[in-house]
Amino acid sequence: SQTIHQWPATLVQPVGSPLSLECTVEGTSNPNLYWYRQAAGRGLQLLFYSVGIGQISSEVPQNLSASRPQDRQFILSSKKLLLSDSGFYLCAWRRASGSSYNEQFFGPGTRLTVL
Amino acid sequence: AQKITQTQPGMFVQEKEAVTLDCTYDTSDPSYGLFWYKQPSSGEMIFLIYQGSYDQQNATEGRYSLNFQKARKSANLVISASQLGDSAMYFCAMREGPGYGGATNKLIFGTGTLLAVQP
Repeated sequence: SQTIHQWPATLVQPVGSPLSLECTVEGTSNPNLYWYRQAAGRGLQLLFYSVGIGQISSEVPQNLSASRPQDRQFILSSKKLLLSDSGFYLCAWRRASGSSYNEQFFGPGTRLTVL
Repeated sequence: AQKITQTQPGMFVQEKEAVTLDCTYDTSDPSYGLFWYKQPSSGEMIFLIYQGSYDQQNATEGRYSLNFQKARKSANLVISASQLGDSAMYFCAMREGPGYGGATNKLIFGTGTLLAVQP
């Protein structure tokens, strides 16, 4: 079966500090990968998606970046955090092909607080 | 314009009763998909049910069913026989375009409905 991991689960960082959030998927190959952010009391906003190693598409211009160094690893980074970067960050994966390819499956999320 | 609209910020339902959560969408793409996710207080997003724009029948998954009215662009979630564990935030989401090939398959989410099941 497939599982998706995110770490850390919670993070408190000062403004201006760097950020690295990691997401890994097990039990599947060549998944489509996604980073979403959820502000408090709001729906999810897509930040980045990737259809393969090294292939990153950005949906929202901001001070965040994403990388996919391995097939099942997706990293969200920032060089200098802003207060507005606070939120709940969710990684998701989807099968690129085959049956049941429609669903996106989400990880447990990382709650980031920037002070 | 909002692509996904959930007009009910919060809902109450008695245990064992059925409840309908509203969702309307806006797209000009003939091929799209509609999803419902549940988000308990722990924060994880749990996939509940999916309806494709070309599906002839309403989707059902256990106690969940999707009332798909294409002409009205609505995709309401019906939860039958509510349980205390159903208390959570519920999000409607849409994928524009087909979900195969090199499609992005990005999801556009509504603002959610907070459901509280009362004993």
